[in-house]
Amino acid sequence: KAGVTQTPRYLIKTRGQQVTLSCSPISGHRSVSWYQQTPGQGLQFLFEYFSETQRNKGNFPGRFSGRQFSNSRSEMNVSTLELGDSALYLCASKEPDNYGYTFGSGTRLTVV
Amino acid sequence: AQKVTQAQTEISVVEKEDVTLDCVYETRDTTYYLFWYKQPPSGELVFLIRRNSFDEQNEISGRYSWNFQKSTSSFNFTITASQVVDSAVYFCALSGYLPGGGNKLTFGTGTQLKVEL
Repeated sequence: KAGVTQTPRYLIKTRGQQVTLSCSPISGHRSVSWYQQTPGQGLQFLFEYFSETQRNKGNFPGRFSGRQFSNSRSEMNVSTLELGDSALYLCASKEPDNYGYTFGSGTRLTVV
Repeated sequence: AQKVTQAQTEISVVEKEDVTLDCVYETRDTTYYLFWYKQPPSGELVFLIRRNSFDEQNEISGRYSWNFQKSTSSFNFTITASQVVDSAVYFCALSGYLPGGGNKLTFGTGTQLKVEL
């Protein structure tokens, strides 16, 4: 069974640009969550999608957005990038009513 | 609000020593789940264990064991006879329900474990 796939693995962007990250969950998992990991703030919840609907969002500005497609694949977008957006972005998928979160390898975003 | 505290920022041990990683949590939920994840330098969070709030039975898996004590809101993780391959950052996390349905993980700040020869 394939795991959670995140692309790309590494990304370098310039301040002011926008970026889109992709996450393909485990087959059959309909819930996808995104987390940001930085040295200063640690691991923080960004948002969760279930059946193409955003169920919850963490305390992040509106520049951070996402969506989920009918095949459960999810994308997150960050617009008007700031230096502080440099982080490891992790995606997790889980089965409904099951608390087993499986994480992908993450996308390491560097904003210069 | 939920909170997870991992007071140990970094621990260094010599191979074959036993080591315990501490985790203290706060939640108002009566039903919740606790997790431990391992994060090697590659970045991926590797699932180690999940425990629900109604199951205080301790668990052992090979060299790993977990002690869940609801009375002290602690969920500690012990590695017996540590090995160099255990070197990583270990995160304790708490899952609770959210108003919109679904849930999220609240992570501690992590403990960097270094196992040396």
